[in-house]
Amino acid sequence: EVQLVESGGGLVQPGGSLRLSCVASGFTFSSYWMSWLRRAPGKGLEWVATMNQDGSEKYYVDSVKGRFTMSRDNAKTSLYLQMNNLRGEDTAVYYCARDGGVNWGQGTLVAVSS
Amino acid sequence: DVVMTQSPLSLPVTLGQPASISCRSSQSLVYSDGNTRLFWFHERPGQSPRRLIYKVSDRDSGVPDRFSGSGSDTDFTLEISRVEAEDVGVYYCMQSTHWPHTFGQGTKLEIK
Repeated sequence: EVQLVESGGGLVQPGGSLRLSCVASGFTFSSYWMSWLRRAPGKGLEWVATMNQDGSEKYYVDSVKGRFTMSRDNAKTSLYLQMNNLRGEDTAVYYCARDGGVNWGQGTLVAVSS
Repeated sequence: DVVMTQSPLSLPVTLGQPASISCRSSQSLVYSDGNTRLFWFHERPGQSPRRLIYKVSDRDSGVPDRFSGSGSDTDFTLEISRVEAEDVGVYYCMQSTHWPHTFGQGTKLEIK
């Protein structure tokens, strides 16, 4: 059974940082593109970032470029999202997802507020 | 960015009746390999989104056959042949042909 388990969310002040993690199991992690997506309160889904199998290709939505960095450790079957200089508009539930959104984690809440 | 426009945004449906959601893209979604990277997702309250349809019309494993996707180029439709109570929630289309990937605004299906 495919499982994606996110962690690392929490309450942070504007300008602060957080690092999200996603541990994958039930599939060959190193063979798949992986993504981070989010849903802000009262808003729709937003794709945030995507990375290829070996991390050599990364794509980010404009609103997070220069602030968020996606990485992965295939040996640990883990995905990461380093979020710096956080803003109020980054408040959302963050999900990791396997290629094309075929599987999603349960999400982790990031709240940016003073 | 490719803009995905869904309609309607609210969809009240009687149990057992059909439902249809439209999704239009601002650019063609045909990828260089000939595939069209258009997906449909369903999000129930308090749950993670679930993918229903990939590449316009292919149903994901375990998705009931009352769900079907169709369309081409810039115009796509998700149809539910007979709505059941478990179908309530928000439906999203999403394209991954172009960077950044983009979602429609979501269509909230409720039971009348």
